[in-house]
Amino acid sequence: AAGVIQSPRHLIKEKRETATLKCYPIPRHDTVYWYQQGPGQDPQFLISFYEKMQSDKGSIPDRFSAQQFSDYHSELNMSSLELGDSALYFCASSLGRTGEDTEAFFGQGTRLTVV
Amino acid sequence: GENVEQHPSTLSVQEGDSAVIKCTYSDSASNYFPWYKQELGKGPQLIIDIRSNVGEKKDQRIAVTLNKTAKHFSLHITETQPEDSAVYFCAASMGLGNTPLVFGKGTRLSVIA
Repeated sequence: AAGVIQSPRHLIKEKRETATLKCYPIPRHDTVYWYQQGPGQDPQFLISFYEKMQSDKGSIPDRFSAQQFSDYHSELNMSSLELGDSALYFCASSLGRTGEDTEAFFGQGTRLTVV
Repeated sequence: GENVEQHPSTLSVQEGDSAVIKCTYSDSASNYFPWYKQELGKGPQLIIDIRSNVGEKKDQRIAVTLNKTAKHFSLHITETQPEDSAVYFCAASMGLGNTPLVFGKGTRLSVIA
């Protein structure tokens, strides 16, 4: 079965550079969530989209932005990168239109290293 | 907002023994509680979930119990195997449709052969 696809898997950037992470949800899923996971930490919610509109916002820095496109894929744009942004970034998708929370499936993540 | 506490942070068991991981949540409005298993370098994998209208759910060697009055839920793994070694996260959400999950801090389970 198709899973959540994230690209790239690994990314190395220098401080103050920008990065774009992409997420392709499971087919027919309409909701995308972005999480940041530091070493040895639990995933921290950044932002989510439902039907191409932002639905919830967590601890996402102002330097980051995201959007969901007409084909439901999502991109997380990160600017003015800082060393502390080094982490695993996960995307998850689910079917939100049922009106109750359904299973959220995670991608394999993008490991961002800022040097 | 919701706060999820998870313990223990690390757990070592002998192969074949049972493992229990416990979580508590703060928001009584939460009604969806999934558990994820995360192996090194991989994304969290959903292994079982439970909703507030159910007290217990079982899937082979894995079971989850929910006490909504006490606001706690637990993961039970029986007959543990070395491949069960991983980090396990509990999570909670309000279950209203596309609400984000709030995770516990994780439990690193080691199954010793």
